[in-house]
Amino acid sequence: DIVMTQTPLSSPVTLGQPASISCRSSQSLVHSDGNTYLSWLQQRPGQPPRLLIYKISNRFSGVPDRFSGSGAGTDFTLKISRVEAEDVGVYYCMQATQLPWTFGQGTKVEIK
Amino acid sequence: QVQLQESGPGLVKPSQTLSLTCTVSGGSISSGSYYWSWIRQPAGKGLEWIGRIYTSGSTNYNPSLKSRVTISVDTSKNQFSLKLSSVTAADTAVYYCARVSTAGADVWGQGTTVTVSS
Repeated sequence: DIVMTQTPLSSPVTLGQPASISCRSSQSLVHSDGNTYLSWLQQRPGQPPRLLIYKISNRFSGVPDRFSGSGAGTDFTLKISRVEAEDVGVYYCMQATQLPWTFGQGTKVEIK
Repeated sequence: QVQLQESGPGLVKPSQTLSLTCTVSGGSISSGSYYWSWIRQPAGKGLEWIGRIYTSGSTNYNPSLKSRVTISVDTSKNQFSLKLSSVTAADTAVYYCARVSTAGADVWGQGTTVTVSS
């Protein structure tokens, strides 16, 4: 299985300040079709996960542009340019390049 | 707009079979190129992929659960289902159904809590 490792596991952030989450995979996530199926999910308290970013850097419909994704191969990053109160929650990276699909442990974003 | 809704018993006895259904509304389960998936989350923990069924009916399961899992689809009811046999307390979790495509897991159900206890 591909192991997804996120850092940090907790990220206290001041409102209006940026936040960054790293996700590293144990193997390259480049699929044989040339795509990299790395996505980012947000889970607000008491809610199901919600898709933010797919294929490394594509923002899903309705996702604010303060969220951005980058990376390649085995190293990926989610950035929030200016954290707002509604961004509090746990963020997961997910790989769908190889079965079984796997997730990072989650990074909790909270307000200082 | 496609929506998903999980349903099934909230309490299952150890060694029995957990059975959940995901009802798809706002679109046909047979159209498009989607993987209809089950994912679970123990309380306070992370996400675990259980398995998926493609629009064509082909399935893939997590090897960690493969011997106990069956996912099936009923296109006439626009539903897909999960069966997990020989459950133990370790199977207690919130179970989500989700639609996954090359654009990621873009639609999720609200989740249903299943507790395994006698």
